[in-house]
Parts: sequence; structure tokens; C-alpha cells
Amino acid sequence: DSGVTQTPKHLITATGQRVTLRCSPRSGDLSVYWYQQSLDQGLQFLIQYYNGEERAKGNILERFSAQQFPDLHSELNLSSLELGDSALYFCASSVSNEKLFFGSGTQLSVL
Amino acid sequence: QKEVEQDPGPLSVPEGAIVSLNCTYSNSAFQYFMWYRQYSRKGPELLMYTYSSGNKEDGRFTAQVDKSSKYISLFIRDSQPSDSATYLCATAMKYGNQFYFGTGTSLTVIP
Repeated sequence: DSGVTQTPKHLITATGQRVTLRCSPRSGDLSVYWYQQSLDQGLQFLIQYYNGEERAKGNILERFSAQQFPDLHSELNLSSLELGDSALYFCASSVSNEKLFFGSGTQLSVL
Repeated sequence: QKEVEQDPGPLSVPEGAIVSLNCTYSNSAFQYFMWYRQYSRKGPELLMYTYSSGNKEDGRFTAQVDKSSKYISLFIRDSQPSDSATYLCATAMKYGNQFYFGTGTSLTVIP
């Protein structure tokens, strides 16, 4: 167990809908990262937050947004969902930029 | 040029074989090097971590970094069917805030 908690584990929704993915980082970790992994694809970096502030942005669509709250948990909001958004979404946390610890992921299926 | 290049395989070996997994990277500023193991549809698990150059051994696993040639290796001795997974290499800079992942190598160990 990495100590990073993601909910829900599975999410099935329809095109055009909006969903929220939640992540609780490891105790003491200030940084939260979000990644997308499509079937048989590598990890695509979406966005990073550090202690509530956005630090880095990757290939995140404008329909997607995220935030990190004062208690350090983070939420990834996906709106106007399309079939191509179906993927595994991972949250990861770190205390520094030496090592990254991943959650078990949220499997999103857009039908 | 991608920051980290990794042969996707797939790699198939008999049980008991020595496995060699490799990555190359482009930026000499990378100081942290990681190997992750990812079972199908699960979160990547940190397997090995190395700072700067040299070798690190943990049981049947050895991680090697050659900064002169910008080459990262993971060796698995006495491979087991339970080692069947996708292995991802990753790097980071000392004062950066991003992690750079290879695309992963799929390994199957045949009993």
C-alpha cells in the first residue's frame, strides 16, 4: 500500500457528463500529481499541485481542471466527457521530487 | 526528442532467466532515477530508486545508472512468473518538480 488513496475505483458515465476524481496524498506529502493512462499507453502527466498551488501543467485539456485543498487532498474535475476520455487516472504524491508514490487509480469509462 | 526513451518490448523470458531492462535519457541534469513495476490496470509501484550514478541492489533486483552514457538499467535475477508486469523507468531533476517517464516495457516470465 503506497499510502495514496484514490476514490472512486471505477466510474461509468455518459458522454457530456461531468465527474470528480478524488485523491488523498500520503501523510506529509505536499505535492500531488495527476496522470492519465489510456489503454496500452504510457503515463501522460496532467497537472501538479504543491501545498495548494498549481506548480506545473502538462497535457491537460481545457475541459479538465484540478485543485488542492487546505487539507492537501486533491480533486480532478473532468467535464463534457468524450469517449476518448476513457482511461485510468492516477494520482501520485511526493514529499520532494525524489520519489513519486502512486494511488491505485480510478478507471473511468465513458459510454 | 523525448526526455526518456524505453523499448516497449514485449519481452518474454523463461522462469529463472536474468532480465535486463533499459532506458536512455537526454538531459544531463537528471539526478534521480526510479524504476516502477505496474501490474495490469494497477497503480505503478516504486521498485527501485537511485540518486546520481552507481548501482543499487535489493534482493533479486539491481538498478544501475551510467550518467556518462545517460543509460539506466534494471536487472532481475532468477526471474519469477510473478515478475510479469510492465516496468517503467523515470527520472527527475534535483531542483525540478516534474517526473519524466519512459513508456514502459512489458515483461512476461514463462513458468
